[in-house]
This record gives sequence, structure tokens and C-alpha cells, in this order.
Amino acid sequence: RKEVEQDPGPFNVPEGATVAFNCTYSNSASQSFFWYRQDCRKEPKLLMSVYSSGNEDGRFTAQLNRASQYISLLIRDSKLSDSATYLCVVKGSGGYQKVTFGTGTKLQVIP
Amino acid sequence: DTGVSQNPRHKITKRGQNVTFRCDPISEHNRLYWYRQTLGQGPEFLTYFQNEAQLEKSRLLSDRFSAERPKGSFSTLEIQRTEQGDSAMYLCASSLEGLGETQYFGPGTRLLVL
Repeated sequence: RKEVEQDPGPFNVPEGATVAFNCTYSNSASQSFFWYRQDCRKEPKLLMSVYSSGNEDGRFTAQLNRASQYISLLIRDSKLSDSATYLCVVKGSGGYQKVTFGTGTKLQVIP
Repeated sequence: DTGVSQNPRHKITKRGQNVTFRCDPISEHNRLYWYRQTLGQGPEFLTYFQNEAQLEKSRLLSDRFSAERPKGSFSTLEIQRTEQGDSAMYLCASSLEGLGETQYFGPGTRLLVL
């Protein structure tokens, strides 16, 4: 089983739609969770951290379910500019906090 | 620009040649990471420095790869005797150790081995 798994997509959604991505992780000791956004041929950029209580930033909502070992990202009112690959990132515990990226979920927002 | 910078941005080389990439992290960041990313995949961890100490190396990092961070500031990644399979984007990230630590990525060096 991969350490971090994501549906690669692509998810093709119309403008204004709501779309949700899930990501599962295998290490129950994982401590920190993030969503990064990566545009084509660009570096990953932090979208948001994911907290146990869930957190929201504008149209974006992230949730963590430790019992089922998954995190989710919800995007409301999709914009054309949301088209990108969304990378799930899981960080371990201990002296070296291993960071593992998922393969990413590609989102294409269609006019 | 006070973000992470990487040089060169692109490198084309012939198989068997050596290449060296440089990463300048955000100045106050004490942790520095190297990743490799190929098409359709997420970044794969290669190695990690805390200050000048290289604390972790992935099994992906063969003997042909070496990384340094001699003064705890910039880092170099060298690939000796390049192979076509080394073609990828090499990403550097830096972070400041602490609660809520997040990594900030440089623009990457895209390597093509012919």
C-alpha cells in the first residue's frame, strides 16, 4: 500500500461547481497534513495546512479524519484559476519528520 | 525576492556527464530538502539537511548523487555519470523548524539527459 494515495483524476468540473478530493495515508503516527497546489511545470505551493478540527480558507475547506486516516479538500464555487494539480502531503513524527507527497489530483475547471 | 531560488533552471546534458545544481533557501530557514519529480508523480524525497548536517538520505539517492550544505546556507546537489533515467525536475525546499513547520519550494531545476 502506498504511504499516501490520491485519485489522480482528472476531475473536470464546470465553473461554479463544488468539488472534493480525498487522500488516504497509511502511517497512523503521521502528525501534520497539508494540501499543496502545483500548476503545470511550476513548483508546489502551500495551499493550506489541515488541522484536526478542520479549517476553512475562503472557498477551500480541509478536513482530517484520523480514525479513517484520510484528509479531504473541498473547493466551492470553482474558478477557472483553480485548475491545477492538488498534492496531499503527510508529515511523520520523530527526529526526522519525513514528508511524503501523494501523486496529486488534477483538477480542470471548464468554462 | 526572498523566496527559495534554484540554479540553473534548466540543464541539458549528455549521458555520462556530471551536473551540479544549487539551492539558496529562505535565509532564516534551518532545514533544507531536495526532491525529484517526474511527470505525473508527486515530489519524491531525496535528502534533508538540518543546518549543515545531512540527516537523512532516501534509498532513491544512489552513489552517483551527493549533496552538501557546507555552511548551513545554500546547498548543492551533484549527479555524477548522469543517466537518462535521471531526467526529472529537481526541487529544493526549505523550512524553519518548529510547530506548524511548512516547506517552501524553489522553482526547480529541470534536467534532461540525452
